[in-house]
Amino acid sequence: NAGVMQNPRHLVRRRGQEARLRCSPMKGHSHVYWYRQLPEEGLKFMVYLQKENIIDESGMPKERFSAEFPKEGPSILRIQQVVRGDSAAYFCASSQSGSRTGELFFGEGSRLTVL
Amino acid sequence: GQNIDQPTEMTATEGAIVQINCTYQTSGFNGLFWYQQHAGEAPTFLSYNVLDGLEEKGRFSSFLSRSKGYSYLLLKELQMKDSASYLCAVNNAGNNRKLIWGLGTSLAVNP
Repeated sequence: NAGVMQNPRHLVRRRGQEARLRCSPMKGHSHVYWYRQLPEEGLKFMVYLQKENIIDESGMPKERFSAEFPKEGPSILRIQQVVRGDSAAYFCASSQSGSRTGELFFGEGSRLTVL
Repeated sequence: GQNIDQPTEMTATEGAIVQINCTYQTSGFNGLFWYQQHAGEAPTFLSYNVLDGLEEKGRFSSFLSRSKGYSYLLLKELQMKDSASYLCAVNNAGNNRKLIWGLGTSLAVNP
């Protein structure tokens, strides 16, 4: 029973390149969340998606960042024209519709380094 | 504004009991979570409180006082593997799991 799967685990990009981070939620989960974690900072909410819908993207920068969760396939967090400040760990989490607690199940994270 | 405070670091001895406090000020409240995160790994769910009182789960217990905006995580019979960061998070937005996170408390368990 696979958990939340994220890839790549580590990604190195040069300034101006694009980064694509993928997340497959736990089986049976229809809600996907992306969080960013910087050293010395807490997890910061970025975006909440359900299949084919962005429910809340209030934590995502308006420029260069986008997210999708297509009908088939993983959720994708896309960062265009990366800058050094984008270097961080990006965590994906999923939850089950109707869960009493709303417990989030996290993936291992994708660590982006921008040179 | 939204604010969650927890101590940055704590140290305890194997076999002992440790209490990690969390205070919060949020625009709404729909539950408080505790997660454990080992270095370089994913946060994992420990507990959830939405009503006042104590929730016990094995060696871990979590307490909530909504009127005081306060929670604590109690870890008993500490083991070396409990050395990790403990994250307090509040859901202030109803069914949307847009959690607000504290910076975490780094717990070191010494032999």
